[in-house]
Amino acid sequence: SQTIHQWPATLVQPVGSPLSLECTVEGTSNPNLYWYRQAAGRGLQLLFYSVGIGQISSEVPQNLSASRPQDRQFILSSKKLLLSDSGFYLCAYLQELNTEAFFGQGTRLTVV
Amino acid sequence: AQSVTQLGSHVSVSEGALVLLRCNYSSSVPPYLFWYVQYPNQGLQLLLKYTTGATLVKGINGFEAEFKKSETSFHLTKPSAHMSDAAEYFCAAFYGQNFVFGPGTRLSVLP
Repeated sequence: SQTIHQWPATLVQPVGSPLSLECTVEGTSNPNLYWYRQAAGRGLQLLFYSVGIGQISSEVPQNLSASRPQDRQFILSSKKLLLSDSGFYLCAYLQELNTEAFFGQGTRLTVV
Repeated sequence: AQSVTQLGSHVSVSEGALVLLRCNYSSSVPPYLFWYVQYPNQGLQLLLKYTTGATLVKGINGFEAEFKKSETSFHLTKPSAHMSDAAEYFCAAFYGQNFVFGPGTRLSVLP
């Protein structure tokens, strides 16, 4: 069966510190992978998506970056966090033939 | 630009009452459409989806939605609300490679 793992579940980081959030998928190959951010009281904002290894598309310019070093691994990073980076980050994958997105449990990031 | 709108950021209903959450999409070509539910501090769970075929789609927990191309709508309904339905609901459209989500509607169920 297919599963998606996202960690850590919660994270408190000081302003200016680096960030690395990891997402891995099991039980599927060549999925489309997505990073979303959900700010308090707001909907989901697509940050990055990837259709293959090393292929990253950015939807919103900001101080975040994403990488896909392996087929089923998607990493969200920042060199220096801002207060405005606080939010709930969700990783998702899509099996194109299934046209259904599966979401991880999310990471609650608080930048202090 | 492709977009999904949800009328009403917060909807309150009494337990046992009809639930109606509205969703409209923008596209000349109907996308695949979805409703997701999110409980506090959790990821999103699929309620139902429309791809092709029957326009009335039934999902989990007694929810259903009807795709109306003429109205570019995909409203979510449930005949009788339960306290456990209190959550945030997101409508989403799949356009080619990306999902576009609506801003979400928070559903409160009053005893």
